[in-house]
Amino acid sequence: DTGVSQDPRHKITKRGQNVTFRCDPISEHNRLYWYRQTLGQGPEFLTYFQNEAQLEKSRLLSDRFSAERPKGSFSTLEIQRTEQGDSAMYLCASSLGQGGPQHFGDGTRLSIL
Amino acid sequence: AQTVTQSQPEMSVQEAETVTLSCTYDTSESDYYLFWYKQPPSRQMILVIRQEAYKQQNATENRFSVNFQKAAKSFSLKISDSQLGDAAMYFCAYSGGYQKVTFGTGTKLQVIP
Repeated sequence: DTGVSQDPRHKITKRGQNVTFRCDPISEHNRLYWYRQTLGQGPEFLTYFQNEAQLEKSRLLSDRFSAERPKGSFSTLEIQRTEQGDSAMYLCASSLGQGGPQHFGDGTRLSIL
Repeated sequence: AQTVTQSQPEMSVQEAETVTLSCTYDTSESDYYLFWYKQPPSRQMILVIRQEAYKQQNATENRFSVNFQKAAKSFSLKISDSQLGDAAMYFCAYSGGYQKVTFGTGTKLQVIP
């Protein structure tokens, strides 16, 4: 069990650029979640996959955001035309089964210049 | 929509003493899960303890225990024999039927040597 892995750890980009983050969940976990966390706040739910199906998306996930989980393994979160307000820590978590505890990755910190 | 409220932005405790962190939540669901997560500075979110709503018995994990009051929708965390390594942000979280997890705003715990 190598835990949830996220890449990159840090991303600095100019406003208007596109960015893509990757999350590799714990291998036997069928559920994968993306959250956004700003300084001093709790994580905010963005979206959730069960296997390859995206089952729920938050209203926070504007049309500039898209997430995929091809083949039900790793997932990517893409932000197009980044804005200052997108600066945050993006957390990925995975779990197994209903009510299973979520295991978090270290997160990707996004800074928009 | 479910909400999670942590009314104590910061708490402090003397090393070896006991501290209780408060959490209340609001839901119309009858079957759900509650969690406490710990997030040390610049480090990964870690599950501390988990409670299933249908279980009346309060969960315990070594020095960590909860006081779950379902009717009052209260879920407090008690840390006994506090250690320096317990210093962190603590997040209370709720997960209902759709597995989306809703987090509170967190309580920053300081442990005084």
